[in-house]
Amino acid sequence: DAKTTQPPSMDCAEGRAANLPCNHSTISGNEYVYWYRQIHSQGPQYIIHGLKNNETNEMASLIITEDRKSSTLILPHATLRDTAVYYCIVRVTGSQGNLIFGKGTKLSVKP
Amino acid sequence: GAVVSQHPSWVICKSGTSVKIECRSLDFQATTMFWYRQFPKQSLMLMATSNEGSKATYEQGVEKDKFLINHASLTLSTLTVTSAHPEDSSFYICSASRGSSYNSPLHFGNGTRLTVT
Repeated sequence: DAKTTQPPSMDCAEGRAANLPCNHSTISGNEYVYWYRQIHSQGPQYIIHGLKNNETNEMASLIITEDRKSSTLILPHATLRDTAVYYCIVRVTGSQGNLIFGKGTKLSVKP
Repeated sequence: GAVVSQHPSWVICKSGTSVKIECRSLDFQATTMFWYRQFPKQSLMLMATSNEGSKATYEQGVEKDKFLINHASLTLSTLTVTSAHPEDSSFYICSASRGSSYNSPLHFGNGTRLTVT
């Protein structure tokens, strides 16, 4: 089972920041938080990941709380092309490295 | 650009026939690849872990004799759906990682849409 909880859907206005929350209260100390997104009928696209520190790349920022029990993915200036299902995944150690997908958050960016 | 390539992107086959799907890592070697399946309006479900040079590991409920996996080289894994039936119609997606640590992201192919008539 997925170790994360996400809201099923969110709306965001085009040009505004999209803040997608994720709860992972049972995360272990050495487990990474990964974010992917899936646009309809395509394979998941890697966005960002982190362990303890906040991370930023050209796509997004990842804010992880100090207790690591939750995180937020931030898309700074959402566009219509950011409409997708966003998955927050805790990569479980002890496995062969596979990812267990939950239901994700359907983000709709509206004009 | 894409780092994991899947082929074909879609296929239609008749019931009872077999279909082979290829997954390639484009500029890196992958000792492990993962095969997922996604039914409409559902999330991705791991089917099996493909290990180069050894037998694949299947998730509970996935028939190993029906979904044959061959990982013959460090850049290619294939999934063959044998004696396909309409209930096998789904979106099949493979993934691989450049590195072996949990700090190396998995990259996914663009998926193969299988329709069995």
